[in-house]
Amino acid sequence: SQKIEQNSEALNIQEGKTATLTCNYTNYSPAYLQWYRQDPGRGPVFLLLIRENEKEKRKERLKVTFDTTLKQSLFHITASQPADSATYLCALATYGGATNKLIFGTGTLLAVQP
Amino acid sequence: DAGVTQSPTHLIKTRGQQVTLRCSPKSGHDTVSWYQQALGQGPQFIFQYYEEEERQRGNFPDRFSGHQFPNYSSELNVNALLLGDSALYLCATLRSRLAGSSYNEQFFGPGTRLTVL
Repeated sequence: SQKIEQNSEALNIQEGKTATLTCNYTNYSPAYLQWYRQDPGRGPVFLLLIRENEKEKRKERLKVTFDTTLKQSLFHITASQPADSATYLCALATYGGATNKLIFGTGTLLAVQP
Repeated sequence: DAGVTQSPTHLIKTRGQQVTLRCSPKSGHDTVSWYQQALGQGPQFIFQYYEEEERQRGNFPDRFSGHQFPNYSSELNVNALLLGDSALYLCATLRSRLAGSSYNEQFFGPGTRLTVL
């Protein structure tokens, strides 16, 4: 069956450390993968997109990697801050049909302690 | 430049009633998707509208229907509400691939919190 899995437990880290979040998928062939941030009661906010032929993307303190062999994406926040505390969602889009249909994981709650 | 807007913010309905949710896309965006997000879950795709037509549908019953207007805004209608329909309903918009190179970036609205009693 098709699955997208993210760390089910909350991730607690100290301010200044690097947070690494994992997204694994099964039985999908994604055209690209996106990471979103979601605060309680709010809509997801787009962070980064990485295509199937890209290995790594960076934006300021954020970095995402995409390994289609391992069927895994890693999302890193360097020099983390308490303001980075939120739920982070990965979403993939597949070829065919409405290619912008996103399939989301359940999200990982990140808590950055001061 | 206004982002994606949704109305209303919150809504309380009883079982069996009908509800209409509204979405205005970000400026320059012509494609609207609707998602349902239950508590503690990721958003689930309901359907997508482009050129006033439903282009693809997720695994949702016919009680869920939609519409897109010539100005690209959209409505989501849910009939015969069930308790399980309680969720955050999100609208996401993007510029279609025909209109530009950034067609993959979707922008979400703040959502409508629907509670069915």
